[in-house]
Amino acid sequence: DAKTTQPTSMDCAEGRAANLPCNHSTISGNEYVYWYRQIHSQGPQYIIHGLKNNETNEMASLIITEDRKSSTLILPHATLRDTAVYYCIVEKAAGNKLTFGGGTRVLVKP
Amino acid sequence: NAGVTQTPKFRILKIGQSMTLQCTQDMNHNYMYWYRQDPGMGLKLIYYSVGAGITDKGEVPNGYNVSRSTTEDFPLRLELAAPSQTSVYFCASSSFSTGRGTYNEQFFGPGTRLTVL
Repeated sequence: DAKTTQPTSMDCAEGRAANLPCNHSTISGNEYVYWYRQIHSQGPQYIIHGLKNNETNEMASLIITEDRKSSTLILPHATLRDTAVYYCIVEKAAGNKLTFGGGTRVLVKP
Repeated sequence: NAGVTQTPKFRILKIGQSMTLQCTQDMNHNYMYWYRQDPGMGLKLIYYSVGAGITDKGEVPNGYNVSRSTTEDFPLRLELAAPSQTSVYFCASSSFSTGRGTYNEQFFGPGTRLTVL
């Protein structure tokens, strides 16, 4: 069974913030939320991860709800190069095995 | 650093043929992985390795074999190619996770696109 649910696709305007939702209602206490993206059939690229606190790095911000049942990845100023499939993944920290779902196909439009 | 390299980039096989997909990483990572990605789908883990001489099955291991004789190399072997193995194959590597709160991202290679006819 899939651990996460994401919209199949979404569009956003270049220069605007892109907010990508992810539901993970069955997440357990020792599981993290990871985000990867895959640009046009390249290998996936790590973006960010978090446990329960909000996180920010040079690529994106991750907002996790207090009950941890959902999260939002924010790309603050989307560019055309951010067009990609974004995967939200819930896994334990140890072992590093990743289970990819279908992801959200994001199209950034000029 | 070249990161994770994979060869070949493309290959067409006939049913029943065999081949080895090569994967090499130069980051001294302990963990290595093989995934496959069918059209329009997410990646599925085939096999993984936590170090030289140690391998384990992932979600979809049937029809594949792996070995890990060195830290750098993690080849994937297809013995009797079938049309169901038509896919894009990605190799990845990561450092050892040292404990709670730490995470070492996976670095992916560019992929091998395999067609079995």
